[in-house]
Amino acid sequence: GAGVSQSPSNKVTEKGKDVELRCDPISGHTALYWYRQSLGQGLEFLIYFQGNSAPDKSGLPSDRFSAERTGGSVSTLTIQRTQQEDSAVYLCASSLRPRASTDTQYFGPGTRLTVL
Amino acid sequence: AQTVTQSQPEMSVQEAETVTLSCTYDTSESDYYLFWYKQPPSRQMILVIRQEAYKQQNATENRFSVNFQKAAKSFSLKISDSQLGDAAMYFCAYRDNQGGKLIFGQGTELSVKP
Repeated sequence: GAGVSQSPSNKVTEKGKDVELRCDPISGHTALYWYRQSLGQGLEFLIYFQGNSAPDKSGLPSDRFSAERTGGSVSTLTIQRTQQEDSAVYLCASSLRPRASTDTQYFGPGTRLTVL
Repeated sequence: AQTVTQSQPEMSVQEAETVTLSCTYDTSESDYYLFWYKQPPSRQMILVIRQEAYKQQNATENRFSVNFQKAAKSFSLKISDSQLGDAAMYFCAYRDNQGGKLIFGQGTELSVKP
């Protein structure tokens, strides 16, 4: 079956512009995660959606970052007023049963964001 | 807060040889999960192997095995009979038993010499 997909693959934007990054999880997966991978900070958690529960937003670095998950499927990560330090690869992952011992997070190919 | 540390930014191994990647972590939990992920240049993170903390037996997946030392909070990955396709960035990760986020180490870039 299809894996996690993300679009766009690459995004170049100017400082101060807003950007939207999209993630399509594996069909039927109840949990969806966003991570950011940057040279200075490594791989860091941003936000986690699980079913109808309130999302865990504890990793969002500032209020310029937000995310939503519509209909329990597709998710959009929005960065407002982008800054150069937002340049990174944004990875999305999904999993079927996040509390199960056998649960595995499957990752998409990421979106490389470059802020000029 | 839980932390994961990979102290080897880069490692190199000769094809067909064995290499061990190190990972240590810090947690006050007794039940948790540990993972090794591989990230090739394509950026796609691929799960290599997992270990449940409550299991004493070290996990094995074909040429990949772990040495899990719970008391020492150490979780190393051994790759046997290294192949050119093993060249990638390897990340160690921690997840608690409530599910949710993975906490990653800084990564180890593995190169394989023919």
